[in-house]
Amino acid sequence: QVQLVHSGAEVKKPGASVRVSCLASGYTFTGHYLYWVRQAPGQGLEFMGRINPNNGDTNYAQKFQGRVTMTRDTSISTAYMNLNSLTSDDTAVYYCARDCGVGGVCSDFWGQGTLVIVSA
Amino acid sequence: QSALTQPRSVSGSPGQSVTISCTGTISDVGGYNSVSWYQQHPGKAPKLLIFDVSKRPSGVPDRFSGSKSGNTASLTISGLQAEDEADYYCWSYAGSYILAPFGGGTRLTVL
Repeated sequence: QVQLVHSGAEVKKPGASVRVSCLASGYTFTGHYLYWVRQAPGQGLEFMGRINPNNGDTNYAQKFQGRVTMTRDTSISTAYMNLNSLTSDDTAVYYCARDCGVGGVCSDFWGQGTLVIVSA
Repeated sequence: QSALTQPRSVSGSPGQSVTISCTGTISDVGGYNSVSWYQQHPGKAPKLLIFDVSKRPSGVPDRFSGSKSGNTASLTISGLQAEDEADYYCWSYAGSYILAPFGGGTRLTVL
């Protein structure tokens, strides 16, 4: 069965960077885009970008361009999301989610999420 | 990115139907047939309910249906059940992946 397993919670200081990983299993890792979506406490979902695990191509949401980097390691079926210059506004649960493969925006499997807390 | 507009809350009694709207613009909801809907229970990851405006993934009950008219997409839940109490989000393609707005979310309360 398809599974996306996230790395553990992180606590970071303002100005630092964080890297969240997402280990995929149960399907061909290179066959589906992966999205990164975040959710601040008590708030809604926010699209950050996506990566094509097959060739590493990325698309970043305008809001995060210059601050986010998405990469992958196909040898271990793992995607990474790196966010730098953290502020308290970046405190959120960060999800990776598999693209459905139908075009547009659609995610059929989601990881459990990684909580990132940014606090001095 | 501007979020799509959803009502903050809706409610209904068991067995009734409710409809959640998701209003965007011609640049997103109105311009593409790529709207998906997600259900999220507290502390859980979102779950896909509807994709491509009105298609249901396997395993999602046919009580959940989607539609679109102009710049507004809608999710209808019929035969409300207690377990339907959750937050619901729409998500629309907007021509690129630089902008891919979610709705602000709707809290469904089953009375």
